[in-house]
Amino acid sequence: DTAVSQTPKYLVTQMGNDKSIKCEQNLGHDTMYWYKQDSKKFLKIMFSYNNKELIINETVPNRFSPKSPDKAHLNLHINSLELGDSAVYFCASSQSQPNSPLHFGNGTRLTVT
Amino acid sequence: GDSVTQMEGPVTLSEEAFLTINCTYTATGYPSLFWYVQYPGEGLQLLLKATKADDKGSNKGFEATYRKETTSFHLEKGSVQVSDSAVYFCASTNSGYSTLTFGKGTMLLVSP
Repeated sequence: DTAVSQTPKYLVTQMGNDKSIKCEQNLGHDTMYWYKQDSKKFLKIMFSYNNKELIINETVPNRFSPKSPDKAHLNLHINSLELGDSAVYFCASSQSQPNSPLHFGNGTRLTVT
Repeated sequence: GDSVTQMEGPVTLSEEAFLTINCTYTATGYPSLFWYVQYPGEGLQLLLKATKADDKGSNKGFEATYRKETTSFHLEKGSVQVSDSAVYFCASTNSGYSTLTFGKGTMLLVSP
């Protein structure tokens, strides 16, 4: 199946821990993104990579570090997790042409206790 | 900066009712406009889009027309079904890298 897949689907962890979320797309897209969705469903972009290079880095704590080993993968590592990091994190991909729609993964629900 | 404003939800309708979800945008230049839908437990899916003024996007019975004069892109459907229950997001992009600015989402609940 062609898709954006992210793992794990659920992640429950304690404050202070370090965790990673992985994302892979097999759509041949050259741009990948991480979005954060809060409990009120509000979506906010965190990072965007084009051809493995960081092009958007919104105001996100530097505890969050994205890594793109190749065009098809964009992982998100979070250090020293805090309660406020609890959210659903969505990976997405697109072509870099204007008006290209984003294709989203099914999300990773992170709960920090 | 660019922004998208959509009506607060939840919108609660009976099956076969007419649906309108309002969306207005502010942007420099001429953005492309999108509606995405998020079903429970899933990621967002593109529902429809319009790339220039007066374009009408349509899909699965949903329609939205790009109105430059009112900076709006309202989503409509003539007869909703229970399976349309989801959160709907209006979005705009004005960037070569397709970075979307999302509205806050509107939850639609359709009862039989």
